[in-house]
Amino acid sequence: GAGVSQSPSNKVTEKGKDVELRCDPISGHTALYWYRQSLGQGLEFLIYFQGNSAPDKSGLPSDRFSAERTGGSVSTLTIQRTQQEDSAVYLCASWVRTASYNEQFFGPGTRLTVL
Amino acid sequence: AQSVTQLDSHVSVSEGTPVLLRCNYSSSYSPSLFWYVQHPNKGLQLLLKYTSAATLVKGINGFEAEFKKSETSFHLTKPSAHMSDAAEYFCVVSDLDYTDKLIFGTGTRLQVFP
Repeated sequence: GAGVSQSPSNKVTEKGKDVELRCDPISGHTALYWYRQSLGQGLEFLIYFQGNSAPDKSGLPSDRFSAERTGGSVSTLTIQRTQQEDSAVYLCASWVRTASYNEQFFGPGTRLTVL
Repeated sequence: AQSVTQLDSHVSVSEGTPVLLRCNYSSSYSPSLFWYVQHPNKGLQLLLKYTSAATLVKGINGFEAEFKKSETSFHLTKPSAHMSDAAEYFCVVSDLDYTDKLIFGTGTRLQVFP
C-alpha cells in the first residue's frame, strides 16, 4: 500500500519568500506530525495533529511557521519570509494508535534550501 | 521531561565485526523506546521498539536492543556488520501513556568498512 508522501522532494527558495510543503499521510491514520532535521542534528518536533483536536504547535520555532490539515488528511506546512536558518529537511509522519500497535511512518522528506 | 542521548556521533566498524550504538534516556514515566534507521536519501524506517514487554527486543536486519532500566540505557547491537548497515541511526523515547510525541536523539552515523 501507499506510504506517506511529501512534495516537493526538493525546494530552493530565496530569503524572504514564502514556501508551502505538502504531506499526504497514510489513509486512515488519524495523527500527523511535522519534524525538521537540520544538518548533523536529530529530528526536531514542530507540530502534531490528532483527529479533530486542536493541534499541538509547541515545537514551531517562530510565528513564521504554520500548518494546517484539511479534512483530517493532507497537511501543508507554510514558512513565511524564509530565512537561511530554515534550510533543513522537513519530515512528515503519520500513525494510528491501537491498543497493541503504535508506530510512526515517515515520508521521504522535503529538502528546503534558502539562499 | 524526556530526553535521549546518543553517546557517539560516529561509529566505524569493519564488515563482519559487531556493532554497538549507545543510547541513554531520561523519562519521568515508563518509557517507550525506539530505534530508527535512515539510509542516505531514504526515509526513516523503524528498526525495533520497546514498549514494556520483553526487555530484549529483536528488530529487522539482525539488530537487537536491550532495555536496562537500572542503567537507563537502550543500546543497539548487531553481531556482524554488513556493508548495507551503513546509515544514520536514531534512538527515540516517548511516554506513550501520556503523549504521542517522539523525542529523537541527535543520531549516530555508522560506517562499515570492507
